[in-house]
Amino acid sequence: DAKTTQPPSMDCAEGRAANLPCNHSTISGNEYVYWYRQIHSQGPQYIIHGLKNNETNEMASLIITEDRKSSTLILPHATLRDTAVYYCIVTLKYSGAGSYQLTFGKGTKLSVIP
Amino acid sequence: SAVISQKPSRDICQRGTSLTIQCQVDSQVTMMFWYRQQPGQSLTLIATANQGSEATYESGFVIDKFPISRPNLTFSTLTVSNMSPEDSSIYLCSVEDPYGYTFGSGTRLTVV
Repeated sequence: DAKTTQPPSMDCAEGRAANLPCNHSTISGNEYVYWYRQIHSQGPQYIIHGLKNNETNEMASLIITEDRKSSTLILPHATLRDTAVYYCIVTLKYSGAGSYQLTFGKGTKLSVIP
Repeated sequence: SAVISQKPSRDICQRGTSLTIQCQVDSQVTMMFWYRQQPGQSLTLIATANQGSEATYESGFVIDKFPISRPNLTFSTLTVSNMSPEDSSIYLCSVEDPYGYTFGSGTRLTVV
């Protein structure tokens, strides 16, 4: 799996957009970018994933640069409940025929400030 | 996505004893994964469990210390054997599904 680099921590004001960057300069052509978050004392929660197009769901948006060497997770209106550690992971996509393990880095600790 | 029930949610154990953690999934899955999260650290994969075969362990983890069972496609157990205080961690199971990977809520183990 490609290695990712994230800032160790970030602050965001409640109600503002939280933009979490991730560098993955060694990503290969068939690897996806996944984002998970871990709220204190809970298991990691899937947020979103993408290959090369920008993606949006009810939780967040994912912006991937054209060269795919970096991406940004956007939480459009951060709330206090979004305070968590956010992990950017690059891996092959689920196929049902095998397994592609997730390798967790240290992630970004996002603190949403009232 | 899959729903995982993991038990116990927490336990305090004496050193030298063993604890078995259970992971139940609401759908059949090919692979189940066991992770460890030491205090203040990120998640580390312990092993991958495939039904009907022996688990595959990552570097630094051995079967004698962390025996795993996978009797069917919806259930797995991880045993932490001969525990020491260094085994105090959160242990999590995970499964692969079309939306990514789903994790259990974890078992917080304290060894005294």
